Amino acid sequence: DIVMTQSPDSLAVSLGERATINCKSSQSVLYSSDSKNYLAWYQQKPGQPPNLLIYWASTRESGVPDRFSGSGSGTDFTLTISSLQAEDVAVYYCQQYYSVPPWTFGQGTKVEIK
Amino acid sequence: EVQLAESGGGLVQPGGSLRLSCAASGFSLSDYWMGWVRQAPGKGLEWVATIKPDGSEKYYVDSVKGRFTISRDNAMHSVYLQMNSLRAEDTAVYYCARVAGNGWVGCWGQGTLVTVSS
Repeated sequence: DIVMTQSPDSLAVSLGERATINCKSSQSVLYSSDSKNYLAWYQQKPGQPPNLLIYWASTRESGVPDRFSGSGSGTDFTLTISSLQAEDVAVYYCQQYYSVPPWTFGQGTKVEIK
Repeated sequence: EVQLAESGGGLVQPGGSLRLSCAASGFSLSDYWMGWVRQAPGKGLEWVATIKPDGSEKYYVDSVKGRFTISRDNAMHSVYLQMNSLRAEDTAVYYCARVAGNGWVGCWGQGTLVTVSS
């Protein structure tokens, strides 16, 4: 199984500042035949289901604010919130879909306001 | 509007069974892989089971193999999760998930809580 490890487990960022979350996979999720990274990012607010932010490591889902961006390739990925807003307080998860199901998630990163 | 609505959760004793249902609306269920993702209280997400659009392939996380069965009835616009031999560690909110593209979840239900306790 591909293990996804996020860092840090939590972070506190001032409003308007940048938040950076890292995700590392135990093996590459870059598929050589199409040169795509099989990685997604989700946001989960308390009491709600997760919400898709990014897929293919860097493609923003429709309707997601452009302050959210994804980057990285192979085994190392980053979700960046360029200017943290109050409504961005949530837990963020990465997920790989490279392997045969069941796919796997990172353990989550909690983002709070400093 | 695309919607997924779970039902069937509740309190069950260890060793008992439950059947979760997911009613899909606003899209053609037969076009999509579907799955169940669970979240234990205060914990992260775990992909439990996945099923191909025609039901011909099914995948399970190791911890539920032999105990849980995913199925679907495209004509009834529904996906199911039969859970047998339930354990305390199966306690979680179970989300119905519509798989988009190659494996990300584009649509989630609101979840149904399963509590396994005596």
